[in-house]
Amino acid sequence: DAGVIQSPRHEVTEMGQEVTLRCKPISGHNSLFWYRQTMMRGLELLIYFNNNVPIDDSGMPEDRFSAKMPNASFSTLKIQPSEPRDSAVYFCASSFVGQETQYFGPGTRLLVL
Amino acid sequence: AQTVTQSQPEMSVQEAETVTLSCTYDTSESNYYLFWYKQPPSRQMILVIRQEAYKQQNATENRFSVNFQKAAKSFSLKISDSQLGDTAMYFCAFMKLIGGSQGNLIFGKGTKLSVKP
Repeated sequence: DAGVIQSPRHEVTEMGQEVTLRCKPISGHNSLFWYRQTMMRGLELLIYFNNNVPIDDSGMPEDRFSAKMPNASFSTLKIQPSEPRDSAVYFCASSFVGQETQYFGPGTRLLVL
Repeated sequence: AQTVTQSQPEMSVQEAETVTLSCTYDTSESNYYLFWYKQPPSRQMILVIRQEAYKQQNATENRFSVNFQKAAKSFSLKISDSQLGDTAMYFCAFMKLIGGSQGNLIFGKGTKLSVKP
């Protein structure tokens, strides 16, 4: 299996620009999670989906962040407009309901200048 | 709300020796899972081991084992015969079940482990 795929792996952008991060979960998995990792706050959940439906988005910082999962094999996390404080590593993880173990993608390192 | 505490920001161990990483958590839930993830310099998050709260037997995976003390809410990781490739950040994580299904992971701040030759 290819594992969880994230793109891009690195993104450098300027403040105010729109950023879109992409994730392809492991085939057959029906839960998808977006996490953010920063030095100050560590690893924290942004949002997660079960069967393409958002279950908990309480970790989404503000209206500038949005996430979608149009089908079982694709999800996006969008930041518009981006700010320097959004600089972080963004991880996508997937799992199969009933198996509890989450498998992580390689992450996207975002730098907002 | 659940919290996870890793009280050792950094640790080091000599190659081939044994090291134990500490983790405590706070929860009022009775049904949950605990995990240790490893993050090497590549940043990839790699599952090391997991423990179901309802199981009394401590989980083991080759050189990795846990000491799960449910009453004390403690979940330590023991690495035996440490190898240079074990050098990484180690994160303890808690997951509660919501309606019998999994929820999100709540992570500790991590312990940076260095294995010295």
